[in-house]
Amino acid sequence: GAVVSQHPSWVICKSGTSVKIECRSLDFQATTMFWYRQFPKQSLMLMATSNEGSKATYEQGVEKDKFLINHASLTLSTLTVTSAHPEDSSFYICSARGLAGGRDEQFFGPGTRLTVL
Amino acid sequence: AQTVTQSQPEMSVQEAETVTLSCTYDTSESDYYLFWYKQPPSRQMILVIRQEAYKQQNATENRFSVNFQKAAKSFSLKISDSQLGDAAMYFCAYRSAGNAGNMLTFGGGTRLMVKP
Repeated sequence: GAVVSQHPSWVICKSGTSVKIECRSLDFQATTMFWYRQFPKQSLMLMATSNEGSKATYEQGVEKDKFLINHASLTLSTLTVTSAHPEDSSFYICSARGLAGGRDEQFFGPGTRLTVL
Repeated sequence: AQTVTQSQPEMSVQEAETVTLSCTYDTSESDYYLFWYKQPPSRQMILVIRQEAYKQQNATENRFSVNFQKAAKSFSLKISDSQLGDAAMYFCAYRSAGNAGNMLTFGGGTRLMVKP
């Protein structure tokens, strides 16, 4: 089956630093990648959608200068949380959409837990 | 814009019994996809079942089946012979058909507890 990896799985950083999260589709090419944020006991909230080689489309209320998304290739997207603050602490999930196993599906990474001290 | 509503924040089922999770959605589109995802404590999202709106036949995957009522915009998930490993958050999701950029719209989730 299709696999999406995320790295790191968890990260703790000091307030004011930047953190980069990588998302890779391991055995298929992702036409589109999505970044979600999930607070405890809540649903997934879409932050942005990105296509390879083009600028990401951010959802309303998501600061594009704070959450930088780079979709460098059909298998790699990165989310950089710039100048992180405690309120950015959350669970971040990436998802990659593409053809895998003959089906057009959206596959999810295992998530990254960010804690900002 | 499409919305997805899961009216049951928590559900409980006895092991080996059957449970049904509810989901309703609102859309003006005629062609779309509906999904149920499972999120266990590991937080990894797992696709449970998928339904194409143009298909009248309800999707089935082993112990999991759906009751898709297009006119009522209802998409419930039935889990038969519940197992302890079924305990998780379950999310109903909607996606428009067509463009690659179309994203999933999730419901608020239902936490399923399975009692031994």
